[in-house]
Amino acid sequence: DAKTTQPPSMDCAEGRAANLPCNHSTISGNEYVYWYRQIHSQGPQYIIHGLKNNETNEMASLIITEDRKSSTLILPHATLRDTAVYYCIVRVQYTGNQFYFGTGTSLTVIP
Amino acid sequence: DTGVSQDPRHKITKRGQNVTFRCDPISEHNRLYWYRQTLGQGPEFLTYFQNEAQLEKSRLLSDRFSAERPKGSFSTLEIQRTEQGDSAMYLCASSSSGHFEQFFGPGTRLTVL
Repeated sequence: DAKTTQPPSMDCAEGRAANLPCNHSTISGNEYVYWYRQIHSQGPQYIIHGLKNNETNEMASLIITEDRKSSTLILPHATLRDTAVYYCIVRVQYTGNQFYFGTGTSLTVIP
Repeated sequence: DTGVSQDPRHKITKRGQNVTFRCDPISEHNRLYWYRQTLGQGPEFLTYFQNEAQLEKSRLLSDRFSAERPKGSFSTLEIQRTEQGDSAMYLCASSSSGHFEQFFGPGTRLTVL
């Protein structure tokens, strides 16, 4: 599975959009981009995933560059409850094995 | 609540003791995963079951660690002769075949004194 690079920490004002970047320059054609988040003392929670098209769900939007070497997770209106560590992961879909979590980005939403 | 459950949530033990953790996955999920997470790090994969078969084990899973899923439902993770370096959060996740999302439990926090 391809390695990802994320900034270690970010701040965002409450009510503003939080844009979390992820670099995955060695991603291969059949690898998807997944985002999970982990709120303090809880297990990770799935947010969104995509292959090459932009994706949106009730939690977030995922923007993947045309060359697929980077992506951005967008939380459109950040709330204090969005304070968490966000993990960007790339892997082949429908494989039975594990996710490789890095160290993620610690997002702090500021009132 | 029909999410993944783990028991106990916290465990404090003395070095050299054996500990066992339990994970109950979402009932219709046939895949079950164990991860370990230390402070400041992301979860690290330990092992994976499909039904009752243990299909993959990480090199992190030393011979002091053993995991079972005897009937393809709940799973147990046992650590024998615990060491202080085993102190971590142990996370369980489950998923169904052909689906991308792993659902994680709340974890068991182990402290080895």
